[in-house]
Amino acid sequence: GQQVMQIPQYQHVQEGEDFTTYCNSSTTLSNIQWYKQRPGGHPVFLIQLVKSGEVKKQKRLTFQFGEAKKNSSLHITATQTTDVGTYFCAGRTSGTYKYIFGTGTRLKVLA
Amino acid sequence: NAGVTQTPKFQVLKTGQSMTLQCAQDMNHNSMYWYRQDPGMGLRLIYYSASEGTTDKGEVPNGYNVSRLNKREFSLRLESAAPSQTSVYFCASSEGIAGQVKAFFGQGTRLTVV
Repeated sequence: GQQVMQIPQYQHVQEGEDFTTYCNSSTTLSNIQWYKQRPGGHPVFLIQLVKSGEVKKQKRLTFQFGEAKKNSSLHITATQTTDVGTYFCAGRTSGTYKYIFGTGTRLKVLA
Repeated sequence: NAGVTQTPKFQVLKTGQSMTLQCAQDMNHNSMYWYRQDPGMGLRLIYYSASEGTTDKGEVPNGYNVSRLNKREFSLRLESAAPSQTSVYFCASSEGIAGQVKAFFGQGTRLTVV
């Protein structure tokens, strides 16, 4: 079945450093979504990518969808303590309504 | 506007007991979902409902049943709880099932089965 893996599992950075998490799917995706979950909280939608090679930015966050639509990345520039949390990707394959979530990357920002 | 509301927030069950987790959304969304979240495993889809009156299995449906009571409510039932079902359960809803819509999550139910 479809699998979505994320690396790294954990990342500790100093405030002001950059951070990147990578999402890899075993199958070609129709689209991919990214969510953020604060400690003790619930996932909150960040963005959706649909097109091959698509790049979207939200302030300090840059999201990319690979050319083959099997991988994606989230890059945060100059991390802040408010960026702390777990970042999940969720991919959907064509012909299904199901989103398969990645294992998540837990980000800790040291002040 | 409450969004997605789950009850209860916390629950402790003994092995073999049954219970129903409730979920309601006030956004007039067509689609609703139940996920479980375990440490290091992300969120796994248990069941989903594309629209009122329909339900489908997700990745890990065994040991669970669901009911889409109406457009607002989607319940998850554990008939005979097992320790392996100890987890955090999230309900979510989205406008449609076409695939390119974002999901809104509830606050979660932390379930412990002893």
